[in-house]
Amino acid sequence: NAGVTQTPKFQVLKTGQSMTLQCAQDMNHNSMYWYRQDPGMGLRLIYYSASEGTTDKGEVPNGYNVSRLNKREFSLRLESAAPSQTSVYFCASRTGQNSNQPQHFGDGTRLSIL
Amino acid sequence: QKEVEQNSGPLSVPEGAIASLNCTYSDRGSQSFFWYRQYSGKSPELIMFIYSNGDKEDGRFTAQLNKASQYVSLLIRDSQPSDSATYLCAVRKRAGSYQLTFGKGTKLSVIP
Repeated sequence: NAGVTQTPKFQVLKTGQSMTLQCAQDMNHNSMYWYRQDPGMGLRLIYYSASEGTTDKGEVPNGYNVSRLNKREFSLRLESAAPSQTSVYFCASRTGQNSNQPQHFGDGTRLSIL
Repeated sequence: QKEVEQNSGPLSVPEGAIASLNCTYSDRGSQSFFWYRQYSGKSPELIMFIYSNGDKEDGRFTAQLNKASQYVSLLIRDSQPSDSATYLCAVRKRAGSYQLTFGKGTKLSVIP
């Protein structure tokens, strides 16, 4: 059981380039999330998808777009990368059937923008 | 006031001691509370969650919740060097909310 799988694990981009971070979960979870984690800032929510077909902004959505492709997959796109988007990105999922259920995290994508 | 506050540490305790990690939150209506452990360079992993006032125990870990005082704590008994990590407190503010708000984490160092 792989849980939450993120690809790629590492990526270096130049300013202005675009890329899509991929996330897939095999736990039949309804809700999926994208966070970024910066030193001293903790985990900050970028976007989330409460269920297939819906997406909502989190705390720091500017510069990002998301797609909930199906129940398993939730992608995060940087249209024009900026150095301020250098961070570690985590995808998470949750069953959504019980509000006390926790989120489960992928291993993260380490993104550097030069 | 930050929504979820934790002392950033580092908190250093000797091996075998009790480590006490604290978290305060600002929204009095918050419903559920989660403790995650994050090793350096790794992803957060759930330790335990609590949603009722009082204590909840799981092995060497005890979560304590006091909604009136708006704090939640995590006690680690018989601390081991392998417990050295950053501990993240997360809060779900409303019943049925899909979002968690995370504190910045407390770095714990267990000294052999």
